[in-house]
Amino acid sequence: DIAITQSPSSVAVSVGETVTLSCKSSQSLLYSENQKDYLGWYQQKPGQTPKPLIYWATNRHTGVPDRFTGSGSGTDFTLIISSVQAEDLADYYCEQYFVYPWTFGGGTKLELK
Amino acid sequence: EVQLVESGGGLVQPGRSMKLSCAASGFTFSSFPMAWVRQAPTKGLEWVATISTSGGSTYYRDSVKGRFTISRDNAKSTLYLQMNSLRSEDTATYYCTRITIAARDYWGQGVMVTVSS
Repeated sequence: DIAITQSPSSVAVSVGETVTLSCKSSQSLLYSENQKDYLGWYQQKPGQTPKPLIYWATNRHTGVPDRFTGSGSGTDFTLIISSVQAEDLADYYCEQYFVYPWTFGGGTKLELK
Repeated sequence: EVQLVESGGGLVQPGRSMKLSCAASGFTFSSFPMAWVRQAPTKGLEWVATISTSGGSTYYRDSVKGRFTISRDNAKSTLYLQMNSLRSEDTATYYCTRITIAARDYWGQGVMVTVSS
């Protein structure tokens, strides 16, 4: 199985700051035939359903603010949140959908400083 | 508007069975693979099972293989998860998700399953 490791497990930021979340895979998620990385990011606010943010490592889902940026390829990925807003406080998960079993990372909790 | 509405959860004793349903609307259900994801209380997300558009292909995580069955009725736009021989570690909120090239693009609101005597 592909192991997904997220770091840090939690991070405290102030409104307006930029934060970088890390997601590392134990195997490459790059599909050579289309040069796409099969890695997604999800945001889950307390008591709510997860919301899709990013697919193919770098593409925002419809309606996701451009302060959310996904980057990386192969085994190392990041989610950068620029100018953090109070509404961004949540748990963030990455997931590989390259091979079964699809696996999620353990999540990063974004908190207010 | 895409909607996924789960039902069928509740309290069940260990070793018993339960069947979850997910009613889909707002899109052509038969055109999309579907999946179940679960989240134990205060824990992270965990993929459970995926089914192809026709239902001809199914995939399961090892811990539920042989106990859970994912199925679909395209005529009713409904996804199912039959859960047998339930264990305490199956206690979780179960989410129905739609699968596209963009991974999971829609999630239901979730249904809670509690396995306890």
